[in-house]
Amino acid sequence: GAGVSQSPSNKVTEKGKDVELRCDPISGHTALYWYRQSLGQGLEFLIYFQGNSAPDKSGLPSDRFSAERTGGSVSTLTIQRTQQEDSAVYLCASSSTSGGVAGELFFGEGSRLTVL
Amino acid sequence: AQKVTQAQTEISVVEKEDVTLDCVYETRDTTYYLFWYKQPPSGELVFLIRRNSFDEQNEISGRYSWNFQKSTSSFNFTITASQVVDSAVYFCALLRRAGSYQLTFGKGTKLSVIP
Repeated sequence: GAGVSQSPSNKVTEKGKDVELRCDPISGHTALYWYRQSLGQGLEFLIYFQGNSAPDKSGLPSDRFSAERTGGSVSTLTIQRTQQEDSAVYLCASSSTSGGVAGELFFGEGSRLTVL
Repeated sequence: AQKVTQAQTEISVVEKEDVTLDCVYETRDTTYYLFWYKQPPSGELVFLIRRNSFDEQNEISGRYSWNFQKSTSSFNFTITASQVVDSAVYFCALLRRAGSYQLTFGKGTKLSVIP
């Protein structure tokens, strides 16, 4: 597709289970971001990938959260031993860079995670 | 540290009224970018505008206009003659030019346009 694709769109899980969220960025976009949007809290940065550089993981809230990006394209965000406070919409975005200046971000529709 | 403040949590206007969404930012960087994004009920954020910190010219795009004032660290967004389709959550964001390209978002302003 032409846009950023995320799956699953909705995920309901039990506390303590692991979940994986997938993001397929726009083809050719070298930068990929994960954000978390909790109700009434705005968007919280989680992690950023740029090409082959080491990712910026400064936003990951705990060591239960991890993400990888394979082959510079698809990314997977993994949350281990989920807690109820992990319930949120997880948004993925990608962007191209031109001349060292980041272009605007293109967001997917998000994966809504509900932890019971 | 960077911070974006959108003091207005929710705004309601009647269709055809003008409305201004406020955005105030904090950064120690001399070079940065400011953005506005729209998040309609469908959930997908849509890019509206990017402004370089060196460019303080106001911009108009149809019914949308943006007022960037470095002296007050503000980047306000005005919708003229609002329409029901403008109902959405609007986010202001700040991007550092140096280092990782990490956007800092405000908490958003929910705009409801009543017919």
